[in-house]
Amino acid sequence: ILNVEQSPQSLHVQEGDSTNFTCSFPSSNFYALHWYRWETAKSPEALFVMTLNGDEKKKGRISATLNTKEGYSYLYIKGSQPEDSATYLCAFIGRDDKIIFGKGTRLHILP
Amino acid sequence: DTAVSQTPKYLVTQMGNDKSIKCEQNLGHDTMYWYKQDSKKFLKIMFSYNNKELIINETVPNRFSPKSPDKAHLNLHINSLELGDSAVYFCASSITSGTRGVGAFFGQGTRLTVV
Repeated sequence: ILNVEQSPQSLHVQEGDSTNFTCSFPSSNFYALHWYRWETAKSPEALFVMTLNGDEKKKGRISATLNTKEGYSYLYIKGSQPEDSATYLCAFIGRDDKIIFGKGTRLHILP
Repeated sequence: DTAVSQTPKYLVTQMGNDKSIKCEQNLGHDTMYWYKQDSKKFLKIMFSYNNKELIINETVPNRFSPKSPDKAHLNLHINSLELGDSAVYFCASSITSGTRGVGAFFGQGTRLTVV
């Protein structure tokens, strides 16, 4: 059974602080890892697509790293802002086109 | 202009009915998907179509039948609705074949309630 785990499930961070969370996925059959940002009452929005071991991607204050050998990816947010409050989803894409989403990390930014 | 649009946004119907949810994308993508968000807020893929051909068909009851009249549309038809079908259904599309490459663009979701 393939599992994609995200931790923590929920996170409260003071505005201005930096934070990070994890996505763990099967290291076999790996093709790509996607990160999505999902705000309440909206639809998921793609943040990053990562395919190579050692990949590091950045978009403004948000960045992500990828380790395909050990099966994990970190998402980092620097200097958290209220608009960063959302659920962050990762999705594992297998070489056989398998798609498995994690359950997400719910991020709350405290003023 | 909405990139991926689903209709209806809300659907309340009785058990045993047959209903359809429509999805259209105007992005020129060649792959479209249906996802189900279960009661635990977990997204699970149901189907994927590439250029009107079925690519992914996860373990979904036969009562669910996707239909793709052209690559811009992927409709979801559900027969004999059951209480357990109540969920939010998301349509999505992406630019490359299968599930690879860039991330998918999601529709706003359709909240289906079966009573």
